[in-house]
Amino acid sequence: GAVVSQHPSWVICKSGTSVKIECRSLDFQATTMFWYRQFPKQSLMLMATSNEGSKATYEQGVEKDKFLINHASLTLSTLTVTSAHPEDSSFYICSATQGARNYGYTFGSGTRLTVV
Amino acid sequence: DAKTTQPPSMDCAEGRAANLPCNHSTISGNEYVYWYRQIHSQGPQYIIHGLKNNETNEMASLIITEDRKSSTLILPHATLRDTAVYYCIVRVRAGNNRKLIWGLGTSLAVNP
Repeated sequence: GAVVSQHPSWVICKSGTSVKIECRSLDFQATTMFWYRQFPKQSLMLMATSNEGSKATYEQGVEKDKFLINHASLTLSTLTVTSAHPEDSSFYICSATQGARNYGYTFGSGTRLTVV
Repeated sequence: DAKTTQPPSMDCAEGRAANLPCNHSTISGNEYVYWYRQIHSQGPQYIIHGLKNNETNEMASLIITEDRKSSTLILPHATLRDTAVYYCIVRVRAGNNRKLIWGLGTSLAVNP
């Protein structure tokens, strides 16, 4: 079946630094990738949608200059949290699909970010 | 904006069927219903999805009412490993993409 690898699984960084999270589709071409954020005991909140080779579309209230998304290839998307602050501490999850006509959404295992 | 409503928690005895309800009264005609589950601090796992007809796979069955305003996920013989948060989701069109709108989920506890 389709597999999405997300790395790192957890990261601790100092306030003010930037952190990059990678999301790779291992056995399929991901034309569309989604980035979510999940706070403790809450549901997944969609942050942005990215199509390969295009600029990401951000959900309302998500700062595009703070959460930089790059989807330069059909198998890799990255999320960079810039100038991280403690309130950015969360569980970040990526998801990939082969396009709008494909009904499968495969999720990565998530990245636990802690900003100290 | 969540398009689904689920009970926050449910209990089920091991070996019995778990029936998880979901209301999606504002769903549009071409929007699919998806179910995922999430075990603590892991990525969501796909269970099943459907549009109008009832669906069944090796994991579960999905029963969608005729007016499509609600659905029920059925785990036929729940095991302890089925303890998780179950999310009922509506897939909506967003430009050329289709994105998943997540509800708050039902925390299912399967008891021995």
